[in-house]
Amino acid sequence: DTGVSQDPRHKITKRGQNVTFRCDPISEHNRLYWYRQTLGQGPEFLTYFQNEAQLEKSRLLSDRFSAERPKGSFSTLEIQRTEQGDSAMYLCASSPPGLAGGPKYFGPGTRLTVT
Amino acid sequence: AQTVTQSQPEMSVQEAETVTLSCTYDTSESDYYLFWYKQPPSRQMILVIRQEAYKQQNATENRFSVNFQKAAKSFSLKISDSQLGDAAMYFCAYRSAKGGSEKLVFGKGTKLTVNP
Repeated sequence: DTGVSQDPRHKITKRGQNVTFRCDPISEHNRLYWYRQTLGQGPEFLTYFQNEAQLEKSRLLSDRFSAERPKGSFSTLEIQRTEQGDSAMYLCASSPPGLAGGPKYFGPGTRLTVT
Repeated sequence: AQTVTQSQPEMSVQEAETVTLSCTYDTSESDYYLFWYKQPPSRQMILVIRQEAYKQQNATENRFSVNFQKAAKSFSLKISDSQLGDAAMYFCAYRSAKGGSEKLVFGKGTKLTVNP
């Protein structure tokens, strides 16, 4: 059990550029979540996958954000035309099947800085 | 919309003592889940304890226990025999059990310092 991993750990980009983050959940965890956390705040829900299906997406998420989990394993989160307000820590989390409630294990996060 | 409030931005405790972190929430629903997460400095967030609202019995995980007061919409976390490794940000979170939503609503967190 190697834990949830995220890549890259840090990303600095210029406003207007596109960025993509990757999340590898714990093996056999069919549930995968993306959250965003800014300084001094708790995590904010972005989206949820069960296997390859994206079952829930935050209404706060603009059309510039998209997430995929093509084979039900790893997931990617893409932000198009980045804005300074997108600067945050992007967290991925996963849970095994049968565990009701919320995510159990979080990854280390990808810190995005938009200049 | 549901909200979660952690009124203590920072708390401190002496090693081996007991500390209680407060959390209140606002909801009109009767069925939901509540969670406490721990986020150590520069380390990954982990689930500490969870409580289903329909259960009257307070959840316990080793040195961690909760005091769930449904009528008061209060969900505090008690850490007994505090250890240096308990130092972290602690987040309280709420999840509706209605409609299949997996969205957690988090509070702003409480930073816990453990003094040797």
